[in-house]
Formats: sequence, C-alpha cells, structure tokens
Amino acid sequence: GQNIDQPTEMTATEGAIVQINCTYQTSGFNGLFWYQQHAGEAPTFLSYNVLDGLEEKGRFSSFLSRSKGYSYLLLKELQMKDSASYLCAVYGGFKTIFGAGTRLFVKA
Amino acid sequence: SQTIHQWPATLVQPVGSPLSLECTVEGTSNPNLYWYRQAAGRGLQLLFYSVGIGQISSEVPQNLSASRPQDRQFILSSKKLLLSDSGFYLCAWSLAGGSDTQYFGPGTRLTVL
Repeated sequence: GQNIDQPTEMTATEGAIVQINCTYQTSGFNGLFWYQQHAGEAPTFLSYNVLDGLEEKGRFSSFLSRSKGYSYLLLKELQMKDSASYLCAVYGGFKTIFGAGTRLFVKA
Repeated sequence: SQTIHQWPATLVQPVGSPLSLECTVEGTSNPNLYWYRQAAGRGLQLLFYSVGIGQISSEVPQNLSASRPQDRQFILSSKKLLLSDSGFYLCAWSLAGGSDTQYFGPGTRLTVL
C-alpha cells in the first residue's frame, strides 16, 4: 500500500528551529518533495531529494534516508511568515503521492 | 518563464448544477497536467492527470470528468454537482519526463449549497 505520515500540527517560536518529520511506505520511489502551502493558497515547491543526505537551501534544509523511508524538513530562524502547512510528497511509479501535511504555527 | 492560470477563483453553485473549471499553462509545451481537490484541513487528492492532448487518467471514480482539448488547456467538469464536491480545486503542471516537480495554479474554491 501507499502511505505517507506526517504530524498533523506543530507549534514553534519565532527565531527557533523546527523539524517536521515524514515517513513513507510506497510501491516505488524516485524522490521526495516538500511543498509549502499558506492558508487559502496553492502549494509551492520547496525541495526535492533523490539521494540520501541533507540538502540545504537558505533557512530550509531537507533530509532523506531511503533505507528508513524517512525524511525531515528543517526550518531555521523561524519567521512569522513560515506559519503554513508543509506537505511531504513521494514520486514513484510515475505518480506523486502527497501526505496530508503538517500545519506549523509560529508564535512570537 | 512558465505560468499557470485557473479560473474562476471562487464559485458558489447549487446542488445539481453543472461545473466547468479551466486551467491553462503558458511558457512550456507538452506538460503533464493534473487536477487535485483539497477538502478543508485535508491533503491533496489527485482527481485526474494527463500526459497529452485527449489523454486523461482518472484516479478516483466520481461524478467529475476532465478533458484536454489543447496542449496547454485542462478542463474539469461535472454535469450535476453534489454537496461533497465542495473544496479547493488545484490545477498543476510538470515537465514531461522530468522529476515530476509540480507547479500549482492559484486554485478555485468551490462551495456547493
């Protein structure tokens, strides 16, 4: 079966670091995406991991372990504008499957 | 650069009425095109995808249909809307043969009353 698990909600403080985890079980795997979605808006692409390890892009980093079926998105120096849902998605078998998303609340 | 358009932005329709949502992409050729629905507080549900003109794959059986009359045009339709069709409808495109990085349109918020 196809399954992607993420926490439903997280809360963090402005300026802090937060890690959003994603575990997956899919019939095929080519890569893993992270998207950001602000309330009422469309998702926007953040990162795509194909190989194991950490990829850093400014304040955001994404990690992948294919053997463990695990990824995380790391957000540093949190800002209020980072309050959004973060969607984990797996591309495999010519199809991308999205997780339900993690709603992140950043408080002052 | 590529852009994706969707309209209308919001729509309120009575139960039993027809539906037509349109999506167009500019700046690329032969894209993969997708229709998703997102219920309030839920994840993205893939409804249809298309790899070319007239080629439509349906992921979830329901009272919706999709058509791709032109390379960069994707239409979502229904003959009779149900209450359960309410949601946020998103169109997306990706490069054919690529990593399937998907780029989303602004979405249509549909309320069926």
